[in-house]
Amino acid sequence: DAKTTQPNSMESNEEEPVHLPCNHSTISGTDYIHWYRQLPSQGPEYVIHGLTSNVNNRMASLAIAEDRKSSTLILHRATLRDAAVYYCILKSGNTPLVFGKGTRLSVIA
Amino acid sequence: GAGVSQSPSNKVTEKGKDVELRCDPISGHTALYWYRQSLGQGLEFLIYFQGNSAPDKSGLPSDRFSAERTGGSVSTLTIQRTQQEDSAVYLCASSLSGGLGTDTQYFGPGTRLTVL
Repeated sequence: DAKTTQPNSMESNEEEPVHLPCNHSTISGTDYIHWYRQLPSQGPEYVIHGLTSNVNNRMASLAIAEDRKSSTLILHRATLRDAAVYYCILKSGNTPLVFGKGTRLSVIA
Repeated sequence: GAGVSQSPSNKVTEKGKDVELRCDPISGHTALYWYRQSLGQGLEFLIYFQGNSAPDKSGLPSDRFSAERTGGSVSTLTIQRTQQEDSAVYLCASSLSGGLGTDTQYFGPGTRLTVL
């Protein structure tokens, strides 16, 4: 399985931007980069995904390095409700999601 | 619209008993997944159904675990002769097609299983 590396934890102040990094140096050409998050006591929730180009949606932005060996999830203004574990996952074709340990984001009021 | 639902939300059972956990996927989703999350652990894939294809059972931890998906919709995960190490949150997810790298999975709230 293609693997990703994320920091164990990060901290942000409320209403500040947050940049969550992910390294995936062994990514293959068919791998999409997906981000999910898991709020306390809830199931995971899809955030965003991309292949090569940067992506924006209502929740976040995804910046993908030109060589695709790393990516960054950007929360433009962190709120207390964004405190969660964020998972960066590579997915191609007919495979289930392989979750690593993710990054636990704490947001300080 | 309705999301993925799971029942029961909590289940407490005694060691050695059998349990059944139910998942109702989003209508029209052809792919269905079961995962579990033990206390303080990551999410672990268990089994995957895609349309009428044979399920991918590669994540099931032992032959005490089995799952069915009837009529391409509702799924039941059965754990026979439960052990204390089976205590975990069991999560179900569904997706539109499953076979694409772009496919997005939608998760239910989970069933918290406690084996005494």
